[in-house]
Amino acid sequence: DGGITQSPKYLFRKEGQNVTLSCEQNLNHDAMYWYRQDPGQGLRLIYYSQIVNDFQKGDIAEGYSVSREKKESFPLTVTSAQKNPTAFYLCATAQRNTEAFFGQGTRLTVV
Amino acid sequence: DQQVKQNSPSLSVQEGRISILNCDYTNSMFDYFLWYKKYPAEGPTFLISISSIKDKNEDGRFTVFLNKSAKHLSLHIVPSQPGDSAVYFCAASGGTSYGKLTFGQGTILTVHP
Repeated sequence: DGGITQSPKYLFRKEGQNVTLSCEQNLNHDAMYWYRQDPGQGLRLIYYSQIVNDFQKGDIAEGYSVSREKKESFPLTVTSAQKNPTAFYLCATAQRNTEAFFGQGTRLTVV
Repeated sequence: DQQVKQNSPSLSVQEGRISILNCDYTNSMFDYFLWYKKYPAEGPTFLISISSIKDKNEDGRFTVFLNKSAKHLSLHIVPSQPGDSAVYFCAASGGTSYGKLTFGQGTILTVHP
């Protein structure tokens, strides 16, 4: 069945390590997005990609990197430069003139 | 600077009554508004949307009202059900990229049986 798969659901990282969160979709949507949610706050846009091999920074891109080599995949790397990486990360997809669909999220905790 | 604001962190309603969730925005470039429902540790699910060319959109128990002059929108749920208990996020976008969203902080709705 069609959807967005984020993995893993829970991820633990030691300080100073880079980690990569996976997002795969089979909805054939052109655009993909990464959001971050902190407790008691709304979602904030980290990066987005509207076509393969192209992506743009969102509002809070510092300390993160992405790639879009395939239409189906948009992995997010949380680098050691991200000062407060502990958060709930959500991947979303959208097609032109349709609402965004979200994955189930990855909770990242720095230990 | 918070471009989309939900000023009520929480709302408690009796089953069968109306729930009204409010949202204000400041950016005049926003032309499409959405409401999402979210449970803890899950992704948001889309509820209803409205374009800036309309002032009302209805879908079953859910109605969204848009007041452009006041830069205000609201979500009405009638009748409210215990299963509606969740966090509700208002979101806004400009242009046709409906995935590039600016979210409010969310309102926790609790519907009591």
